[in-house]
Amino acid sequence: DADVTQTPRNRITKTGKRIMLECSQTKGHDRMYWYRQDPGLGLRLIYYSFDVKDINKGEISDGYSVSRQAQAKFSLSLESAIPNQTALYFCATSDRAETQYFGPGTRLLVL
Amino acid sequence: GNSVTQMEGPVTLSEEAFLTINCTYTATGYPSLFWYVQYPGEGLQLLLKATKADDKGSNKGFEATYRKETTSFHLEKGSVQVSDSAVYFCALSGTGGTSYGKLTFGQGTILTVHP
Repeated sequence: DADVTQTPRNRITKTGKRIMLECSQTKGHDRMYWYRQDPGLGLRLIYYSFDVKDINKGEISDGYSVSRQAQAKFSLSLESAIPNQTALYFCATSDRAETQYFGPGTRLLVL
Repeated sequence: GNSVTQMEGPVTLSEEAFLTINCTYTATGYPSLFWYVQYPGEGLQLLLKATKADDKGSNKGFEATYRKETTSFHLEKGSVQVSDSAVYFCALSGTGGTSYGKLTFGQGTILTVHP
């Protein structure tokens, strides 16, 4: 089984809908991250969490929220989806050695 | 703040050609440097890393040397294969303040290798 899993893998939604993307990890890492990937822009950090009680905004947190339900689970929510949130979303985990391990991604289309 | 700049792509090569993808960075302190690779339809995976000046990271025939004097971490491979076709990302890990524990990525370089 994969160390970092994301659900769903693909999602189509409509403008104004609330959606949640979920991430689970079996690596036992404390740190978890959410990124979005857009063509030509690389990956940009949305939110990150260094432990269950720690939540921090990244560079593009507007329009998003997160929940760290347990060490292994970190969810990303779009409260009211808009078309420019159409992107590929990645969850990642890391330990204190800095290397990050990525999930397979969720492709989101907002109509 | 921290930033990473990669050479513009896409890069198209024939099999067995030499590959260089340039990466330069701006950062405070002494960041660790990384190359990640993203194969079609997959997430990113670590290709190699270097944690201090003059270190050379290597993996699967790829190499990159941490050059503090030129703030660079160029990726090289002597003979590419079709299976190396992917998107390559250079990244650095922040060392202090608000950048601690976070990666800053370049924009990615698409590599296509033809038989």
